[in-house]
Amino acid sequence: DGGITQSPKYLFRKEGQNVTLSCEQNLNHDAMYWYRQDPGQGLRLIYYSQIVNDFQKGDIAEGYSVSREKKESFPLTVTSAQKNPTAFYLCASSIGNRGRNTEAFFGQGTRLTVV
Amino acid sequence: DAKTTQPNSMESNEEEPVHLPCNHSTISGTDYIHWYRQLPSQGPEYVIHGLTSNVNNRMASLAIAEDRKSSTLILHRATLRDAAVYYCILRDLIKSGGSNYKLTFGKGTLLTVNP
Repeated sequence: DGGITQSPKYLFRKEGQNVTLSCEQNLNHDAMYWYRQDPGQGLRLIYYSQIVNDFQKGDIAEGYSVSREKKESFPLTVTSAQKNPTAFYLCASSIGNRGRNTEAFFGQGTRLTVV
Repeated sequence: DAKTTQPNSMESNEEEPVHLPCNHSTISGTDYIHWYRQLPSQGPEYVIHGLTSNVNNRMASLAIAEDRKSSTLILHRATLRDAAVYYCILRDLIKSGGSNYKLTFGKGTLLTVNP
């Protein structure tokens, strides 16, 4: 089945540690996105990538880093510089620039808790 | 960024129609109106999108005002599985003059469906 997979579903991290969240898609989509969601809030864009080996900062990129070495994969690293990393992280993909009226597909999310 | 306004919450009874309103008075001529919904602890799910004409699909209908400053998502017969947060989104440019698009999520409308 085609889809977008995030792992792990739950993640605990000690303060001061970096942690990497996985996002894989087999939809042959060019564009991939990372969003953060806090309780009772909407989603905020962290990073996005329109093509392999290229990515851009979103609205809240500070304290995060990404890579896009393969079309299928867009991992997100939450660094120790992120002051309030506890949140629900969502990865999404879409066809990309071929159409602005195309839908985005979301993973099931990773809930990160700093302990 | 293009903005939308939705009620914080709405309530419906099972098997009755639901009309979820959205105001987007600053919409530009080429912005598409997208609707997504999110169940608790899951990623958002695409529902429907449109530009000017009313749209129907297996999940819902989208009614767009003639001046495009508002739209209404219609669930024809609400079920308990339709209880979710519904987001009305204008697909807008990440960079002015560019061709990269993002979805900007507000807080959405929490729909409660009573048995």
